[in-house]
Parts: sequence; C-alpha cells; structure tokens
Amino acid sequence: KAGVTQTPRYLIKTRGQQVTLSCSPISGHRSVSWYQQTPGQGLQFLFEYFSETQRNKGNFPGRFSGRQFSNSRSEMNVSTLELGDSALYLCASSPRDRVETQYFGPGTRLLVL
Amino acid sequence: GDSVTQMEGPVTLSEEAFLTINCTYTATGYPSLFWYVQYPGEGLQLLLKATKADDKGSNKGFEATYRKETTSFHLEKGSVQVSDSAVYFCALSDRINDYKLSFGAGTTVTVRA
Repeated sequence: KAGVTQTPRYLIKTRGQQVTLSCSPISGHRSVSWYQQTPGQGLQFLFEYFSETQRNKGNFPGRFSGRQFSNSRSEMNVSTLELGDSALYLCASSPRDRVETQYFGPGTRLLVL
Repeated sequence: GDSVTQMEGPVTLSEEAFLTINCTYTATGYPSLFWYVQYPGEGLQLLLKATKADDKGSNKGFEATYRKETTSFHLEKGSVQVSDSAVYFCALSDRINDYKLSFGAGTTVTVRA
C-alpha cells in the first residue's frame, strides 16, 4: 500500500505570496492532519479534516486554511506569506477514528524569502 | 493541557552502545503514547506505540513501556547502529484534545562507527 504523499516536496516563495500544498493520504484513510515543523517551535498541529469537514484546529492565524476533497485528498493554503512561515509542513493520515495512529508523509519544505 | 518533555540532545554514542531517551508526559485523560523517528531530510516514521498503562511497544530493537505511575515512556535500544542516527520524537494523543498529536521537542541521536 502506498504511503502518504505530499507535493511539492520543496517550494520557494516570496513574502506576500500565497501557497497551496497537497496531501494524498494512504488509500482508505479518511482523516488527514497537518503539522508545521520549525527549529524554534518544533512540531505544531495546524488542523485536521475528516470526511471533508474540519474537526480540529490548532492555534494558527486565519492565513492558514485547508480543505479536504471527497477522495480524502487534502490541501492547505497559506496566504500573505511571512518569513516565519518557512517550515517543513507535514501531512498525516489515519484510517478512520481519532484514536488511530497517524502516518506521516515526507513533508513539503517551504522557504519564504 | 497535554505536554511532552523529552531529554535534551544531542546524544552521541558509539556503535553497539545502549541508548535511552527519557520522555515524560502530562495529560488530563488516558493518552496513547508514541515514538516517531525522523531521518535526515525525511518526514516522521512511526517507531512504536502503546495505548494503555503497562503496554510495551517494540520495533526494530527499540522498546518503550507505558508507565502511568511515573507518567513516562522512555525509549531504549540495547545495541545501536550507525543507521539509528536520527531525531526521535515522543508524542501523545488524548481524547480530551481530540486526539491531535502533542510532540516533545525531539532528541537528536548520532551513532559513530
């Protein structure tokens, strides 16, 4: 079974631009979560989607948004990029219920100049 | 709220040495506990997990036991290899926090030949 895939793997943007990252979960998994990893703040939860609905959200500004499609693929969008948004963005999927283990993709490394 | 505290790194060991990484947690409910590993340039891989007190998770020679009385989930390996060089993250998920993962800061382990 293929793992979680994320595209693109690397991205360079400039301040003020917006960016969209994509995540395809493991086949059959319906929950997708997003995390931001930075050297200073570590791993922080962004949001979780299940059956196309956001059911949990972390403490990030409204510039960070996401959505999930009927095939469980998910996208996250960051508008008006700031230098501090430079990070590794990780997507994780789990089969069904919230108690299930989360499996991570390789991440998208975003650099904002 | 939930939190995870890991021993600070970096940790440098020789091959075949014994590895232990301390992890303690604070949680309101009865969390599930996880160890994830991140190799250079990659996402997170689930290493092992435990879902209730006294459970022992094990994988690839690594072990960790869920100790409710000491709120700990220390990671151990009896004989490390160069290929074990990575960053190790302790994490928990809890019903109270809608099962979003809370991570420790990570411990960088370097194994020298």
